[in-house]
This record gives sequence, structure tokens and C-alpha cells, in this order.
Amino acid sequence: AQSVAQPEDQVNVAEGNPLTVKCTYSVSGNPYLFWYVQYPNRGLQFLLKYITGDNLVKGSYGFEAEFNKSQTSFHLKKPSALVSDSALYFCAVRDRDGGFKTIFGAGTRLFVKA
Amino acid sequence: NAGVTQTPKFQVLKTGQSMTLQCAQDMNHEYMSWYRQDPGMGLRLIHYSVGAGITDQGEVPNGYNVSRSTTEDFPLRLLSAAPSQTSVYFCASSATGGWDEKLFFGSGTQLSVL
Repeated sequence: AQSVAQPEDQVNVAEGNPLTVKCTYSVSGNPYLFWYVQYPNRGLQFLLKYITGDNLVKGSYGFEAEFNKSQTSFHLKKPSALVSDSALYFCAVRDRDGGFKTIFGAGTRLFVKA
Repeated sequence: NAGVTQTPKFQVLKTGQSMTLQCAQDMNHEYMSWYRQDPGMGLRLIHYSVGAGITDQGEVPNGYNVSRSTTEDFPLRLLSAAPSQTSVYFCASSATGGWDEKLFFGSGTQLSVL
């Protein structure tokens, strides 16, 4: 069965420092991996996805993520955090065996301090 | 430029009452889905649809009904509300439900069952 783990409930970083939000996954086939962001009182917004090819994918707002097949990880990164990046981040996975179902992690709250 | 529209934004019900959460999209998407968001549990799939007249169950379907009579609308029905259904509900859509497609989310309905 598909599953996604986000091991940190909260990540705290100072503005200007690099940030990493961790995600590991488990699927039976080749994964399709996604990151979404949720700002307060809003729905989720798509940030980036990995389908195939280059292990480093770039997305919206300067975010990028690195796919590591051997570690089954898809960590979200940004070289220089902004206060406005403070939000709830969700990792999600699909694979062909899971059909039409997207499985989400529990979410990681990112707090960027000025 | 509406995207995915959910109504109402907030709702309070008494145990045993019924109600329908509305979801409409104007992007001509074939795939629509309902998720519930609970603290520490991320988003869990309730039901989904891959086109008018076609629906299927997700991870947590009990207590919820859906139907899809048009491409645009995908209402979620609670027949007899229970306190365990207190949650934030999100509707999401994508073009065809393809594995590499991102989801577009509505802004959510916050439901409290007393």
C-alpha cells in the first residue's frame, strides 16, 4: 500500500537561512511525487512534482525538491527562507497500483523567523 | 477565474442532522475528489469521481455519499452527522485524474458536529 511520512511536525528556520522539509514514501511501483503548500484558511496549492528524469525538480516561489530513489525520499528545499514561506507543507504520492488515489503525508508546519 | 468553489465555508450541525457540501469547478475537469483534513493526519480521501455518473470510494468513505450528475458539480452528502465528522473538507479536481496531474483545491468547508 502507498504511504507517505513527514517525520517533522514543525520546522523552524531563520529568514535567509536554507530550509529543508523532509518526506519519505512507500509505493509498490514507480512513484509520482508532489509537494503542496497550505496558507492559513486556504486550500492547498501545488508547488512542484517529480514524475521522471532529473532528480532535482524546481517549482514555484523558489522551492525545489530532490528525489532519492535509494532512500525513498523527496525532501523539499529552498536556499534562502522568507517569512512569507511560513505555512503548512504536504508531501503526496501516487503510483499506478494506487489507481486514482493521491496519498498525503500528515503535513509539516514551517515557521520562518525574521 | 473561479477554479474550484466550495460552499458553505463554515457549518455547524447537530448530531443526526443531514447536509450537503457543495463543490463546483469551471475548468472542465473530469476528475473530482473529496478529502477531509484532521490535525496530525493530513488529508484523507473520502470519495472520488472520474467523470459524470462514475464515483468510487477512497480511504474513509463511511458516513458520506456522493453523486456526479454533471462534469461541473460533485456534492458530498452527510446523511446523519456524527461528532467524528467534525473536520475541514476540501474538494479537489484535475483534468483527467492522470498520475502526473496536479490537484486544484477549493478553499475548504469547516464543519463542526455537536
